[in-house]
Amino acid sequence: AQSVTQPDIHITVSEGASLELRCNYSYGATPYLFWYVQSPGQGLQLLLKYFSGDTLVQGIKGFEAEFKRSQSSFNLRKPSVHWSDAAEYFCAVVRNTGTASKLTFGTGTRLQVTL
Amino acid sequence: DVKVTQSSRYLVKRTGEKVFLECVQDMDHENMFWYRQDPGLGLRLIYFSYDVKMKEKGDIPEGYSVSREKKERFSLILESASTNQTSMYLCASSFFPGNYGYTFGSGTRLTVV
Repeated sequence: AQSVTQPDIHITVSEGASLELRCNYSYGATPYLFWYVQSPGQGLQLLLKYFSGDTLVQGIKGFEAEFKRSQSSFNLRKPSVHWSDAAEYFCAVVRNTGTASKLTFGTGTRLQVTL
Repeated sequence: DVKVTQSSRYLVKRTGEKVFLECVQDMDHENMFWYRQDPGLGLRLIYFSYDVKMKEKGDIPEGYSVSREKKERFSLILESASTNQTSMYLCASSFFPGNYGYTFGSGTRLTVV
């Protein structure tokens, strides 16, 4: 079954530094992949998604992600982190089971930004 | 913007109580979902509904049921609350099958004592 793994539970970066959050997927065919962000006390917000085509996808808030089939990865990147980016980030994959497709989420990576 | 509204932000209930968590969306979405979020476990799907009165179990349905009598409203029911159901509950909706950009509510933090 389709699944995603986020190997980093917690990451700390300095404001202005670059960021890369890791996500590995498990699926034989081309998966549909997503990144969501959850700010403290909020629900999840969609950052970006990949279905097919260009393997580098741009999202909101200056984030981008690159799909790499050879590495089964879909890592999230940002060139320069802002203090407001401190949040929890979830990678997700579409899973086709039952009567409809739905999202399966990773365990999340909590990002801390130091000033 | 689509809004998904969860009726309670914080809830404290006693063991054995029947608990209702309510979720309403305002954009005529077909699909609605209930997830449970726990530290280190991410989000786990409890139930989802793809149409009025239609529902399907997710990964962790035990101890829960759902109701969808109207398209805009999806209720999660804890038949007899237990302490291991203390958690953050997130409701989400999406427009039609194949559109996976879920819109999430802000969550209900439930504590069972």
